[in-house]
Amino acid sequence: GENVEQHPSTLSVQEGDSAVIKCTYSDSASNYFPWYKQELGKGPQLIIDIRSNVGEKKDQRIAVTLNKTAKHFSLHITETQPEDSAVYFCAASKRPNAGNMLTFGGGTRLMVKP
Amino acid sequence: SAVISQKPSRDICQRGTSLTIQCQVDSQVTMMFWYRQQPGQSLTLIATANQGSEATYESGFVIDKFPISRPNLTFSTLTVSNMSPEDSSIYLCSVPTSGRRDTQYFGPGTRLTVL
Repeated sequence: GENVEQHPSTLSVQEGDSAVIKCTYSDSASNYFPWYKQELGKGPQLIIDIRSNVGEKKDQRIAVTLNKTAKHFSLHITETQPEDSAVYFCAASKRPNAGNMLTFGGGTRLMVKP
Repeated sequence: SAVISQKPSRDICQRGTSLTIQCQVDSQVTMMFWYRQQPGQSLTLIATANQGSEATYESGFVIDKFPISRPNLTFSTLTVSNMSPEDSSIYLCSVPTSGRRDTQYFGPGTRLTVL
């Protein structure tokens, strides 16, 4: 089955700096890669996703890049703010099966220091 | 995105008892997923709840321990049976969007503590 590794497990940055979280996956058939943000006491919130037919996607201060050959994808957050502090999870799955199963990485606790 | 609610939001239970968690969605969805998130850990899929058929369980999860109901296209329940402290976790339901089936949205979760 799919295995998703995520690094680092914790990341501390100064407000205004950039943060990068990296994930690798094992199943070359995986073609959908979402990123979730989980704040304390809440469920994971989808913040951005990328499909295997594109190499990069950007939404304001966040961007995701995908390298299919190397089987890794990364989340980039620029101009970090204290409200970006949360646990971030990457995931991988094979679409377009309606019974799509997400395999999650271990999570990264991001702390943005004001 | 779908609006998903879960009840209860949290509970503290005694060992050996059972707890039923409800998940309600504001639109009809074919599939609903149940996840477990152990303290400080990532999310693990427990089962897929299909309307009109039995749930499909992932390796390591069995129906006797985690029975699931799916009476209609907007509602599902997960029961955690004969609980032990190792069952203390956050339990989350998720649904795929109606448009892009690969995109999943999560409910707020149920935080369960077993004493």
